[in-house]
Amino acid sequence: EVQLLESGGDLVQPGGSLRLSCIASGFTFSSYAMAWVRQVPGKGLEWVSGFSSSGGGTNYADSVKGRFTISRDDSKNTLYLQMNSLRPDDTAIYFCAKSLFGVVSYFDYWGNGTLVTVSS
Amino acid sequence: EIVMTQSPATLSVSPGERVTLSCRASQSIRINLAWYQQKPGQSPRLLIYSASSRATGIPARFSGSGSGAEFTLTISSLQSEDFAVYYCQQYNKWPRTFGQGTKVEIK
Repeated sequence: EVQLLESGGDLVQPGGSLRLSCIASGFTFSSYAMAWVRQVPGKGLEWVSGFSSSGGGTNYADSVKGRFTISRDDSKNTLYLQMNSLRPDDTAIYFCAKSLFGVVSYFDYWGNGTLVTVSS
Repeated sequence: EIVMTQSPATLSVSPGERVTLSCRASQSIRINLAWYQQKPGQSPRLLIYSASSRATGIPARFSGSGSGAEFTLTISSLQSEDFAVYYCQQYNKWPRTFGQGTKVEIK
């Protein structure tokens, strides 16, 4: 059974940093692209960042480019999102999502999300 | 960035009715489109990929169509468990983008 378990969400002040983690199980993690998608509670979905498998590269939404860094450790079946220079509009539930292929495309499995709140 | 526009924002429907949701892309995305269903307090669930292919375990009452820039999701006979928010997502170009969602509510 595929499982994605996010952690690391917290209350942080504007300008602060946070690192999210997503531990995957039930599939060969290294073979699939992974991504982060966020959602302000009660609002729509926003694709944040993706990491293709086998050295395929990373991509970011314009809203986070230069502030967020996605990474993965295939030996630990873990996806990360390092978030720096956080702003109040980064407040959202952050979902980890698995893509069906090695390139970030659509998402067949999602985690339950972790809440990031940016506020003073 | 490709902008995905869904319509309507809200749809009030009675159980058993046929429902059609629309999704328009700001440029051609070929058939690189997925649909998701999200219920309150839950993560999104993949329904359709490649514009018209049903994901594993998705009932046949859900169907997708379209190509280029115009797409539709059809629910042939709405069941009580189908009341939810539906999102389209393009994966033709970076960054990947979602539509703003269509809420299907009980009439």
